[in-house]
Amino acid sequence: DADVTQTPRNRITKTGKRIMLECSQTKGHDRMYWYRQDPGLGLQLIYYSFDVKDINKGEISDGYSVSRQAQAKFSLSLESAIPNQTALYFCATSDPSGAGEQFFGPGTRLTVL
Amino acid sequence: KQEVTQIPAALSVPEGENLVLNCSFTDSAIYNLQWFRQDPGKGLTSLLLIQSSQREQTSGRLNASLDKSSGRSTLYIAASQPGDSATYLCAVTNAGNMLTFGGGTRLMVKP
Repeated sequence: DADVTQTPRNRITKTGKRIMLECSQTKGHDRMYWYRQDPGLGLQLIYYSFDVKDINKGEISDGYSVSRQAQAKFSLSLESAIPNQTALYFCATSDPSGAGEQFFGPGTRLTVL
Repeated sequence: KQEVTQIPAALSVPEGENLVLNCSFTDSAIYNLQWFRQDPGKGLTSLLLIQSSQREQTSGRLNASLDKSSGRSTLYIAASQPGDSATYLCAVTNAGNMLTFGGGTRLMVKP
């Protein structure tokens, strides 16, 4: 089984709808991250969490919110989706006591019409 | 603000060639540097991680080097194969465990 899982894998929605993307990990890592990737570009950090009680904004947090329900779960919400939020979304984890390596989920492809 | 640049943006080579992908970063105060592989529509697979105190890392046909003072890293792929076709992403970790990604190099290895 994959260490970092994301649901759904694909989602098509309409402008103005509320969307939640979920991430679960079995690696036992404290740190979790949400990134978005636009076509042909690298990844940009949306939000990150260093433990259950710690939530921080990344480079492009506007229009997004997150919830860290447990060490293993980190969800990303789009309160009112807009077309320019169409992208590939990745969740990642890392172990603060490790080498700093981040481990990524398979991604969620979100299309906002 | 850290900026990461990858050159070239795209590369097409015949099978068997040795090739070099380049990554440069503006702030040399990094914790580590990672090279990732991404297949179309898929997630990221970590290939190599170089700590700031290291100069290179090797895994099979892959060798990554790091020159922190000049803000550069290279990924060397020996004897390229069609299965190496993918996008290669470079990312640096600054204080606070934040990753900053380059735009990637899209590699095509032709049989």
